[in-house]
Amino acid sequence: GQNIDQPTEMTATEGAIVQINCTYQTSGFNGLFWYQQHAGEAPTFLSYNVLDGLEEKGRFSSFLSRSKGYSYLLLKELQMKDSASYLCAVRGNSGTYKYIFGTGTRLKVLA
Amino acid sequence: GAGVSQSPSNKVTEKGKDVELRCDPISGHTALYWYRQRLGQGLEFLIYFQGNSAPDKSGLPSDRFSAERTGESVSTLTIQRTQQEDSAVYLCASSLDYDSEAFFGQGTRLTVV
Repeated sequence: GQNIDQPTEMTATEGAIVQINCTYQTSGFNGLFWYQQHAGEAPTFLSYNVLDGLEEKGRFSSFLSRSKGYSYLLLKELQMKDSASYLCAVRGNSGTYKYIFGTGTRLKVLA
Repeated sequence: GAGVSQSPSNKVTEKGKDVELRCDPISGHTALYWYRQRLGQGLEFLIYFQGNSAPDKSGLPSDRFSAERTGESVSTLTIQRTQQEDSAVYLCASSLDYDSEAFFGQGTRLTVV
């Protein structure tokens, strides 16, 4: 089966660091993706991991452990504009490369 | 075009009517995806097209839903005999190939009354 779990909501303070966790159990794996979605808008691509380890892109970093079926997104120096939903997605393999999304984590950044 | 384009942006239809939603992917992108997002929910996979391969239709919720794609261009998602539970935002995404990140359009907000 396919199962991707993320916390429903998180709250953090402007300037702080927040870590959003994602655990997955999927029948195939060809990469783990993080997307940001502001209310009423389309998801936008943030980061991608296919190998174990940490990928850093400015204020955003993403980590993957394939053996543990675990990823996290780390947001540093939080800004008010970071208030959004963060979607974890696993891309399949073996003939279908569809993305399976978690339900998303709503992050509220407080002043 | 510069991004994934979807039309219409909003559609209100009466229960029982058919609707057709359109997606123009980024030029040159071989992969195209349709997702459904109900209010406050995550993205639900519907269908995936990759080049000339047979599409993955495993996410279509019923035989009222169908989708087509002409070559590596426009795709249409058709919902027949719409029901109130079909009300959602329908998102289309495309990627250069199976190994690249997907880019989403702004979606079509469908309301069935």
